[in-house]
Amino acid sequence: ILNVEQSPQSLHVQEGDSTNFTCSFPSSNFYALHWYRWETAKSPEALFVMTLNGDEKKKGRISATLNTKEGYSYLYIKGSQPEDSATYLCASNYGGATNKLIFGTGTLLAVQP
Amino acid sequence: SAVISQKPSRDICQRGTSLTIQCQVDSQVTMMFWYRQQPGQSLTLIATANQGSEATYESGFVIDKFPISRPNLTFSTLTVSNMSPEDSSIYLCSVGWDRGRETQYFGPGTRLLVL
Repeated sequence: ILNVEQSPQSLHVQEGDSTNFTCSFPSSNFYALHWYRWETAKSPEALFVMTLNGDEKKKGRISATLNTKEGYSYLYIKGSQPEDSATYLCASNYGGATNKLIFGTGTLLAVQP
Repeated sequence: SAVISQKPSRDICQRGTSLTIQCQVDSQVTMMFWYRQQPGQSLTLIATANQGSEATYESGFVIDKFPISRPNLTFSTLTVSNMSPEDSSIYLCSVGWDRGRETQYFGPGTRLLVL
């Protein structure tokens, strides 16, 4: 059974703090890693798709890294703002017979003004 | 990218009844998917909706419980049949042009509570 783990489950930070969370996934037969941001009552918003070991991607104050050999990805938020409050989901894909997105349970981020 | 709408956005239903959820996309897409997120659980793929043919279901999901239609490249429906409280979840439609390395775009979800 392929299992994607995210930590921490939830996080409370103050406005202006920088923060990061982790996504762990089985590294064997890895194909792609997706990050999404999901605000309540809205559609999950795609942040990054990463495929290569050592990939680093950036979108504004948010960035992500990927280590496919050890099976983890970090998501960083620099200078958190209240509008960053959301659940951050990662999902991995393995191609072949398991060609679908397998999601973690997410990290719930709350940014206090 | 794609803009996706879902109807209804939320509903409260009695056990034993059925609910049909609609998913409409603003452009033609290759692939449409249906996901479920039960409370405290991860998003889980129910099935891939295939245009003009039967949907492809993931392990643990069956057509009798979750019949799916996809009459064209921009529209799909998911029915949750003979509901029980365990079906209380958020149901999301997503679309894409590839299963793995391309972004999937999600609808806003349907929040279902079964009493």
